[in-house]
Amino acid sequence: SQQGEEDPQALSIQEGENATMNCSYKTSINNLQWYRQNSGRGLVHLILIRSNEREKHSGRLRVTLDTSKKSSSLLITASRAADTASYFCATETQGGSEKLVFGKGMKLTVNP
Amino acid sequence: GAGVSQSPRYKVAKRGQDVALRCDPISGHVSLFWYQQALGQGPEFLTYFQNEAQLDKSGLPSDRFFAERPEGSVSTLKIQRTQQEDSAVYLCASSPGQRGKLFFGSGTQLSVL
Repeated sequence: SQQGEEDPQALSIQEGENATMNCSYKTSINNLQWYRQNSGRGLVHLILIRSNEREKHSGRLRVTLDTSKKSSSLLITASRAADTASYFCATETQGGSEKLVFGKGMKLTVNP
Repeated sequence: GAGVSQSPRYKVAKRGQDVALRCDPISGHVSLFWYQQALGQGPEFLTYFQNEAQLDKSGLPSDRFFAERPEGSVSTLKIQRTQQEDSAVYLCASSPGQRGKLFFGSGTQLSVL
C-alpha cells in the first residue's frame, strides 16, 4: 500500500520558474524523504527531514514538514531542464521497521 | 563498486517460468530492501534485510516470491511460476542501517509474456 500522496500529479513549468510539490501521508512518522527518478533509472535521494524538524534546505531545494497536518512540501527554485523527472515522497513510519513507504509520484516537466 | 548494482537489467520470461534477480548492495551496507514498481506508480515495498536476517517480508505479494541474503551482502529475489501481473521494475536499495536515506540500483525490468 502507498501512504504518501503527491499533489499535483503532473506539473509543467518554464525554466527559471519555481516548482512546488506537496505530499500528504497518513501515519505518524520518524522522517520524510524526497526522491527523484529519471525515466528508466533508479531513485536518487534528494533530502530528508525528521519529524522534529519543520524546514530544511539543500541547494535549490527547500522542504517543509507539518506533522499536525501530516503534510510536506518540496520547493525547487530556479528550475532547470535537467530537473525534469518524477518526484516521490517517502515516509518511515514511527514504531515500524526501517522500510520507506512511497507515494505515487509527481511528474515534473521543465521546458527550456 | 561505487553504487548498488542489479542484474540483469532486463529480463523477459514466459509465463510459468522461474526468475532470479540479483542485487549487489554498497559494500558495508547493513540494510537491503526490495521494491516493485509498476509503470507510472511509486515503488511498493516487498521485503527488507538487516545483514542476513529478513526482518520484514510483509510486502511479498504471494508465496511465489522469495528473497534471500545468505551472507549479509548479495541478495536474490526469486519469483516462481511467473505471471503477467509480475511484470514490473524490481528495485533494490541499500543503506548503512541508521534509518537514513536509501541508495537505489537502476532496477531490473521484468516482462512476463
